[in-house]
Amino acid sequence: GAVVSQHPSWVICKSGTSVKIECRSLDFQATTMFWYRQFPKQSLMLMATSNEGSKATYEQGVEKDKFLINHASLTLSTLTVTSAHPEDSSFYICSARDSWTGSSYEQYFGPGTRLTVT
Amino acid sequence: GQQVMQIPQYQHVQEGEDFTTYCNSSTTLSNIQWYKQRPGGHPVFLIQLVKSGEVKKQKRLTFQFGEAKKNSSLHITATQTTDVGTYFCAGRGSGGYQKVTFGTGTKLQVIP
Repeated sequence: GAVVSQHPSWVICKSGTSVKIECRSLDFQATTMFWYRQFPKQSLMLMATSNEGSKATYEQGVEKDKFLINHASLTLSTLTVTSAHPEDSSFYICSARDSWTGSSYEQYFGPGTRLTVT
Repeated sequence: GQQVMQIPQYQHVQEGEDFTTYCNSSTTLSNIQWYKQRPGGHPVFLIQLVKSGEVKKQKRLTFQFGEAKKNSSLHITATQTTDVGTYFCAGRGSGGYQKVTFGTGTKLQVIP
């Protein structure tokens, strides 16, 4: 149980275009999902916390108009990288917290999406 | 801004030896989380510590949150080859809504 999927697993796009990444909790409901970036051989950077039915909470320094997050259902959050540029190339990972585990802080991570902007 | 450092950056141990990684924050934290990431894999959440001086155990893993809530440690007793991976800490600053900062990670290699 507690499986999180991401789609696509990798994507190449041209500079100036927008890319949407999906994060789904497959066998549980998640009122809270998280979006991270990870650069090669580096640590994770939390970008934002996605809350079902409300606006996402962005970490300091993350442009909310650049990285649009929508958490329209209890099993799906999307991250749209708008007007992508080469510096947006990265590994994007989502995680989800099971709504039914009460105060549990445990997060389940997706496999990540590799974005390359040319 | 808040900085979270982890030491050591790399650690090679013989299977059966103990291993400890330390996480130090430049500011007081409201909580700290630990993650493990296997080579080529995605992070796996291990634990969250919230209270000053808190100690939690998960089988061979012992997690500790410092009294001042500025440092934390992860200790693995009798390492096994399955412990291989990079261990990250992540702390959120205290006081209002503060940024979550991930540590630089400690890469553990276990020699059989």
